[in-house]
Amino acid sequence: DSGVTQTPKHLITATGQRVTLRCSPRSGDLSVYWYQQSLDQGLQFLIQYYNGEERAKGNILERFSAQQFPDLHSELNLSSLELGDSALYFCASSDGTGNEKLFFGSGTQLSVL
Amino acid sequence: AQRVTQPEKLLSVFKGAPVELKCNYSYSGSPELFWYVQYSRQRLQLLLRHISRESIKGFTADLNKGETSFHLKKPFAQEEDSAMYYCALRPSGTYKYIFGTGTRLKVLA
Repeated sequence: DSGVTQTPKHLITATGQRVTLRCSPRSGDLSVYWYQQSLDQGLQFLIQYYNGEERAKGNILERFSAQQFPDLHSELNLSSLELGDSALYFCASSDGTGNEKLFFGSGTQLSVL
Repeated sequence: AQRVTQPEKLLSVFKGAPVELKCNYSYSGSPELFWYVQYSRQRLQLLLRHISRESIKGFTADLNKGETSFHLKKPFAQEEDSAMYYCALRPSGTYKYIFGTGTRLKVLA
């Protein structure tokens, strides 16, 4: 067990709705990454936080936002959901100190109907 | 644009045969490259990284800057190697990890 916890495991919602995905990093890790995996798209980097601050940004839509809290857990907020947002959302953590090993969570499967 | 390309979605080999999973990258600077693996019902995990020049579970990968490739190789495939393999690039000076679309390796008995 890598120690990265993502909740919920599955989420089914309707278009136009807003959802929040949660990630708790591995104990001691300060950095959290969010990835989106759609069919045939591979892992698309969304955003990274380090110790509460945004550190890197990828192809994250304006409808999506994220934050990392003082206890280092992170939330990814997806709003005005569209059918195309259906995907597996992964969170990963690392110590952020130059050790480039990412530890992944098991993902949240989002289905937008 | 920075990109990682894994041209094969699926690669099937027989047990004991050599295996090579291809990875090409697009990046003008000095890259850091990684292979991640996801076994059935397990989480995505790091297999190896080029800076370590290590061999993990019999797998090796050599960075070829001229061909901008980082192919993963194993001389004799085992059934337990069956998994999804992802190549990833981290551009120098950044904290972004860019993943390829993955290759599913099936090792047949």
